[in-house]
Order: sequence, then structure tokens, then C-alpha cells
Amino acid sequence: RKEVEQDPGPFNVPEGATVAFNCTYSNSASQSFFWYRQDCRKEPKLLMSVYSSGNEDGRFTAQLNRASQYISLLIRDSKLSDSATYLCVVNIVGSWGKLQFGAGTQVVVTP
Amino acid sequence: ETGVTQTPRHLVMGMTNKKSLKCEQHLGHNAMYWYKQSAKKPLELMFVYSLEERVENNSVPSRFSPECPNSSHLFLHLHTLQPEDSALYLCASSQVVETYNEQFFGPGTRLTVL
Repeated sequence: RKEVEQDPGPFNVPEGATVAFNCTYSNSASQSFFWYRQDCRKEPKLLMSVYSSGNEDGRFTAQLNRASQYISLLIRDSKLSDSATYLCVVNIVGSWGKLQFGAGTQVVVTP
Repeated sequence: ETGVTQTPRHLVMGMTNKKSLKCEQHLGHNAMYWYKQSAKKPLELMFVYSLEERVENNSVPSRFSPECPNSSHLFLHLHTLQPEDSALYLCASSQVVETYNEQFFGPGTRLTVL
């Protein structure tokens, strides 16, 4: 089983709509969680950290469900510029500085 | 400059060449990383340096040789590579505090091995 699993998509979303997707992780002792955004042929960029109580940053909402071991990302009022691959990232306990990346979920926002 | 920079941005090399990738971070971080990203695959961690000491070597072939002369610079020396080594090589840095590890990436070097 992969450490971090994501639905690869693509999620085709009309502009202005809401899209949500999950990421599951296998290590129950994982303690830090992040969502990164990666545009085509560019480097990953941190979108937001995921706190245990869930957090919101503008149109983006991240939630953590430790019992079921998944993280979610919700994008409201989608913009064309939200088209990207969203990477779920988990901090692996016991391995110094090591992050485990999911393969990413592709989101395509259409006019 | 700010953030994490990488040079060169693109590199084409033959299997017998020797080349080096350079990474520099201007964030005052205490850890630096090399990742490999192949098409449609997750990022693969290659090496981790903490305060210039290598703390992780993720079973990477010896044809990849990292070097960290100080906390701001990281190199990846390449020799006798194979075509399957063609990929995007990303450098990242972070300030690791206990288990919190927010990493910032450079723009990457797109490597093609002929």
C-alpha cells in the first residue's frame, strides 16, 4: 500500500464551481500535513498547511480526519488559475525531515 | 535573490559526461533536499542534509553524488548516467522544528540523458 494515495483525476470543474478531493495516508503516527500546488513543468509550491482543527485560506479549505486517516482540500468559486496538480504531503514520523508526497490530483477549471 | 535557486535550469548530457547541479537557498534554513520527479510519478526523495551533514540517502545509485559545503549550498554531481535518469531534479530547503517541516522548492533542473 502506498504511504500517501490520491485520486489522480482529472477533476474537470466549471469556473465558479466548488471542487473537493481527498488524500489518504497509511502511517497513523504522521503528524504534519500539507497541500502543495504544482503547475505544469514547474516546482511544487506550498498552498497550505493542514492543522488538526481544519483551516481556511480564502477560497481554500483543508481538513484533517485522523480517525479515518485522510486529508481533504476544498476549492470554492474555482478560477481558471486554479488549474494545477495538487499534491498531498505528509510528514513521516521517525525519519528526520522526510516528507512523503502523493502523486497528485489534477484539477482542470474550464470556462 | 530570494528563496531557493537552481542552476542550470535545463541540462542535456551524454551517458559518459560528468556534470553538476547547483542549489542555493537564501532562507536561512537548516536542511536541504534533493528530489527526483519523473513524469506522472510522485516526488522521490534522494538525499537530505541537515546542517551540512547527510542524514538520509534513499538508496540512490552511486552515479549520483551529493555535496553540501555549507548550509546554503547543495550540489548534485552526476556521472555515467542512464537515459532513465532523465527527469526534473528539484532542490528544497526547510527549517525543521521537531516534526514540522515546511519545504520550499527551487525551480528545478530538467535533465535529459541521451
